[in-house]
Amino acid sequence: KQEVTQIPAALSVPEGENLVLNCSFTDSAIYNLQWFRQDPGKGLTSLLLIQSSQREQTSGRLNASLDKSSGRSTLYIAASQPGDSATYLCAVRNDYKLSFGAGTTVTVRA
Amino acid sequence: DTAVSQTPKYLVTQMGNDKSIKCEQNLGHDTMYWYKQDSKKFLKIMFSYNNKELIINETVPNRFSPKSPDKAHLNLHINSLELGDSAVYFCASSHPPDRGSSGNTIYFGEGSWLTVV
Repeated sequence: KQEVTQIPAALSVPEGENLVLNCSFTDSAIYNLQWFRQDPGKGLTSLLLIQSSQREQTSGRLNASLDKSSGRSTLYIAASQPGDSATYLCAVRNDYKLSFGAGTTVTVRA
Repeated sequence: DTAVSQTPKYLVTQMGNDKSIKCEQNLGHDTMYWYKQDSKKFLKIMFSYNNKELIINETVPNRFSPKSPDKAHLNLHINSLELGDSAVYFCASSHPPDRGSSGNTIYFGEGSWLTVV
């Protein structure tokens, strides 16, 4: 059974600081890993998808790395802004199932 | 155009009632899912369908019955609603997994907020 863990559970940083969010998973036989953002009372927005054969993926200020053999992924957000405040969810795909971590709630202080 | 759409967005109902949540995707995907997000915000899969066939039923009570009339729709019917069913239900869709191909993004709907009173 796939277990996904996200550390830390919450993070508060001043504006401009870089963010580092960690995700670990127990079953390395994954198809891909996705990072999502969820704002309070809203749905999920897909940020990045890393295929199992990839080591990293970048989109703007976001960079996600994947080390499948060790079961780890890290999401980096450069030069954080108050608008980055949200819950960030890591999810790994095995077959027809996407398993989620509990999320990291980020607060960026202006 | 909304890729994955769910209705209703908000639903307040009494215990014991039967209700349905509808989901439609216009992405041409073969695979659809229902996820439940509980009060602690943890997302957990309930069902996974591929080409209208049930693939995953993650130990969900029999009161929950998904129905897929075609590949673009996966509706969730809930009988005899209980207080513990209060949650946000998310529908999602994707291409089916294929070890020979590159990974595929799973797209989520906006969620349906169910409150049982």
